Amino acid sequence: DAGITQSPRHKVTETGTPVTLRCHQTENHRYMYWYRQDPGHGLRLIHYSYGVKDTDKGEVSDGYSVSRSKTEDFLLTLESATSSQTSVYFCAIRDRAYEQYFGPGTRLTVT
Amino acid sequence: AQSVTQPDIHITVSEGASLELRCNYSYGATPYLFWYVQSPGQGLQLLLKYFSGDTLVQGIKGFEAEFKRSQSSFNLRKPSVHWSDAAEYFCAVGANTGTASKLTFGTGTRLQVTL
Repeated sequence: DAGITQSPRHKVTETGTPVTLRCHQTENHRYMYWYRQDPGHGLRLIHYSYGVKDTDKGEVSDGYSVSRSKTEDFLLTLESATSSQTSVYFCAIRDRAYEQYFGPGTRLTVT
Repeated sequence: AQSVTQPDIHITVSEGASLELRCNYSYGATPYLFWYVQSPGQGLQLLLKYFSGDTLVQGIKGFEAEFKRSQSSFNLRKPSVHWSDAAEYFCAVGANTGTASKLTFGTGTRLQVTL
């Protein structure tokens, strides 16, 4: 157990509304990641962070922003949600052995 | 750019039979390679990894994988499948250059086990 929690676990929102997902870790890992999982696509990296206030884009970053103001929290924001952002979102951390461990996921539905 | 191909979307095996899930990768240098398993409605669990050294790596739950550089493959195997192995399996290739430490996942193989 890598001590990763995600909130909320489920959310339904309307098109055009802002949404923020939270990832919290308890073990002070430097690297944190946000992925989305969609059928037929596996997991795709949205954004990642390599330290407080240090973030970079992944392969599907359009429409998403992130923030990391403290080591334990990594926030993913959809500024104006669209139906194409309906997905399951996973947070992950990377430990010193270069292994990534995943949170339980957040199921987001945009109507 | 790194990429991963899992050619089999869905595989069905009988309980007790052997299993091999295929994974091919594209990466310019020596890759970090991983296999993850995901049960329905759950997150991903790390099965095993390859960084360097012995090309046959052992993982949890009786799984193993073999790195073959000449074939750009990292196939997952299990000699005798149990019904509880039914899940989706993902292969991933990693880069660790500078500040980057990212994984690229394949699209997954769903394993069904018949009794």
